[in-house]
Order: sequence, then C-alpha cells, then structure tokens
Amino acid sequence: AQKVTQAQTEISVVEKEDVTLDCVYETRDTTYYLFWYKQPPSGELVFLIRRNSFDEQNEISGRYSWNFQKSTSSFNFTITASQVVDSAVYFCALSEAYSGAGSYQLTFGKGTKLSVIP
Amino acid sequence: DAGVIQSPRHEVTEMGQEVTLRCKPISGHDYLFWYRQTMMRGLELLIYFNNNVPIDDSGMPEDRFSAKMPNASFSTLKIQPSEPRDSAVYFCASSLTEPPYNEQFFGPGTRLTVL
Repeated sequence: AQKVTQAQTEISVVEKEDVTLDCVYETRDTTYYLFWYKQPPSGELVFLIRRNSFDEQNEISGRYSWNFQKSTSSFNFTITASQVVDSAVYFCALSEAYSGAGSYQLTFGKGTKLSVIP
Repeated sequence: DAGVIQSPRHEVTEMGQEVTLRCKPISGHDYLFWYRQTMMRGLELLIYFNNNVPIDDSGMPEDRFSAKMPNASFSTLKIQPSEPRDSAVYFCASSLTEPPYNEQFFGPGTRLTVL
C-alpha cells in the first residue's frame, strides 16, 4: 500500500523567508510518480510539479525548488523568498505505476497549510 | 480556455435528499476524476473515467454514490440518499494524458453540507 506523510500541518513564515515543506512517501513499486499541488484559498488544486522515480534530479522553477531523494523516500519542496501569495495548502501526492486491472491509485498527503505573513 | 467547471459551488441539503453534483471537463481531456476532500480523510479519489467509460470506481464509498458521464463534456456525481457524513468538498478534475503520470486540472469544487 502506498502512503504519503506531510508531517507539518501548518507553517507560518514572515515574507521573504525561505520555507521547506516536507514530504515522505512509502511504496513497494520501483516505478512511481510524485506530485505537488497547491490549493489557494479559492479552493481549486493547482498542479506544480511531477517527478518519476527514475529522475532524481532536483528541479528549480523560479522561487520554487524540489529535492527528490530516493534514499530517504522524500520529495521536499522549498519556496525561496516567500511572498504573501504563496499562502495556501500544499499537497504532496504519490501514484504507483501499476495498481492492477488498469486502475491506479493517487494518494495525497494531508497537506501543509502555509501562511506567509507580511 | 475555460478550466474545469463545477456546479453548484455550494449545496446545502437535508439528510435523505438526493444530491447531484455536476462537472464539465476541459475540452479535449479524455480523463475525468471525482475526488472528495474532508478534514478527517483528506483527498480521496472516488472514481475516474476514460472516454466516458468508468475505469475504476473502487473509491466510491457505498451504493448511495453513483457517477455517470453521458458524454465527453459532462459528468454527474449523485448521492441518494444523502447523509450528514457525506458533507465534504467534492472536486472534479480532468487530464489530457493517462494515469499514473498525468497532470490533473481541478475544478473549484462543490462544498456539500448535509444537515
């Protein structure tokens, strides 16, 4: 069974501070996919990034960066120089390549609520 | 281009009533997903469709829940009869590519309250 743990329920930072959101996952598959989604106060989830299990390169997109480490089963997300607009709930998710019979299971973590204070 | 459209945005109903949630996916997306979000259980996949055909409904909680996709531009999630424990935010999402590596585009959600 797959599992995603986001141990940080809520984080508050002051604007311009850096912040890292932790994500630890469990899976028996060797092929899997990891995602981060953002849920702003408006409610809809917004896709941020996808990573497959064979690509351990870290990725940077503007102020966002992701650190994927298979050795520790972690896929952490860092926001550099945080801004008020970054305030949202962030979800990490895991999808295994094969769940049998053509189905698949996307498992979300419980989310981390980030508040950026001006 | 319009995103995923869901209606209604808010629904308040009484226990025992039938509730129908609606979703219009992004045009051209062959995959449609229904999720439920609660504080206790987080985000759960209920069912997903490919080309209007239900592929996996193992996440549907019980027989009171049903989902249909009569055409490529419309899907419904029905709860009959509704119960207070069904109160949640229900999201519809669509994607162009297939699971498990697909990027999903989510609608704004329907907040359901069952009294």
